[in-house]
Amino acid sequence: GAVVSQHPSRVICKSGTSVKIECRSLDFQATTMFWYRQFPKQSLMLMATSNEGSKATYEQGVEKDKFLINHASLTLSTLTVTSAHPEDSSFYICSARDLLIGWDTEAFFGQGTRLTVV
Amino acid sequence: KQEVTQIPAALSVPEGENLVLNCSFTDSAIYNLQWFRQDPGKGLTSLLLIQSSQREQTSGRLNASLDKSSGRSTLYIAASQPGDSATYLCAVRPGNQFYFGTGTSLTVIP
Repeated sequence: GAVVSQHPSRVICKSGTSVKIECRSLDFQATTMFWYRQFPKQSLMLMATSNEGSKATYEQGVEKDKFLINHASLTLSTLTVTSAHPEDSSFYICSARDLLIGWDTEAFFGQGTRLTVV
Repeated sequence: KQEVTQIPAALSVPEGENLVLNCSFTDSAIYNLQWFRQDPGKGLTSLLLIQSSQREQTSGRLNASLDKSSGRSTLYIAASQPGDSATYLCAVRPGNQFYFGTGTSLTVIP
């Protein structure tokens, strides 16, 4: 299957700093990327959907000024957690699909990023 | 809003047993359903994708079925192995995004 690479896999940062997470599609063009977060013992919740070259669409309750998403190319999307606080500590996972192929295509996920804010 | 439920939440079986994981969803208007595996602290590995028009998909020891009208899917694992120990997630896609279940944590005891 297609490969989605997410970096870093783990990051620890101080409260108040910003952290950038990268999501790359290595062997296909990701017209659309999705960002999820997962709290312990809970399922994945969609945070936002980003389409290449346009602004991201955020789910209700997700602060767009806090979670900045940039999808500047067909192979790269970034999520920046600004002014991170301990409650932002979570597991963040990106997913990518090439929607130009069709709606019924398989989704591929990155390896996830464990963010710990201290 | 689509809700996805997985039962059981946790399952422990001896090596070699066949087992079934269950997934139910509230809205049958979906494009497809996908089963994933997640190892602790890791991302998701896609196992099987079932389109809304399909009834089942098979890959090796895995078989997934879909009954869209009743809002149910099952993942059958034959001859379980310790390496199958992980959390299994099902996800349905009614539109652009996925709705995930909370997963079944599987432990296969050697």
